[in-house]
Amino acid sequence: KNQVEQSPQSLIILEGKNCTLQCNYTVSPFSNLRWYKQDTGRGPVSLTIMTFSENTKSNGRYTATLDADTKQSSLHITASQLSDSASYICVVISGGSYIPTFGRGTSLIVHP
Amino acid sequence: SAVISQKPSRDICQRGTSLTIQCQVDSQVTMMFWYRQQPGQSLTLIATANQGSEATYESGFVIDKFPISRPNLTFSTLTVSNMSPEDSSIYLCSVEKLAGDEQFFGPGTRLTVL
Repeated sequence: KNQVEQSPQSLIILEGKNCTLQCNYTVSPFSNLRWYKQDTGRGPVSLTIMTFSENTKSNGRYTATLDADTKQSSLHITASQLSDSASYICVVISGGSYIPTFGRGTSLIVHP
Repeated sequence: SAVISQKPSRDICQRGTSLTIQCQVDSQVTMMFWYRQQPGQSLTLIATANQGSEATYESGFVIDKFPISRPNLTFSTLTVSNMSPEDSSIYLCSVEKLAGDEQFFGPGTRLTVL
């Protein structure tokens, strides 16, 4: 069964600090992996999309990594800001069918 | 990109009633989806809204409970029928311009059933 597991479930950090969120998956075949940010009361917004051949991709202070061999991805947030407080969702897209498998998300709270 | 609006943004409904949620996209898209997001849970796909034909439902979701319409390439509705408190959730509309493309989400409709 295709699954996406994210850790930690929740995280609290101080403003200005860095943090790393983890995503492990069992989806096969693999097409691409996406990280989304979901603010409270909003729909998810795409941060990065990574294909099999990409092992790192950045979007401002967000950097995603992908190890397709170990089926692991991480999202690193640098110099966190209060506006980074949100849920971060890892989504893996199946090859061929393009069916997405969603993780439960990591809830990040950034304190001043 | 695609800009998606949903109506209503939130509602509080009585048990046994029905609510229709509208999804409007600012451009024509091939794929439209409806998701449910319960607190602390991942997004669950309810169905794919097909233009001009019946929606394709995922396991555990049926047309009688969640009728869907898609009259054109920019608009869809999801009805939550005969609601119970277990239907309290966020309902999200999502689109892809082409299958497998970047997926865009609407702001969601927060439904509370008393």
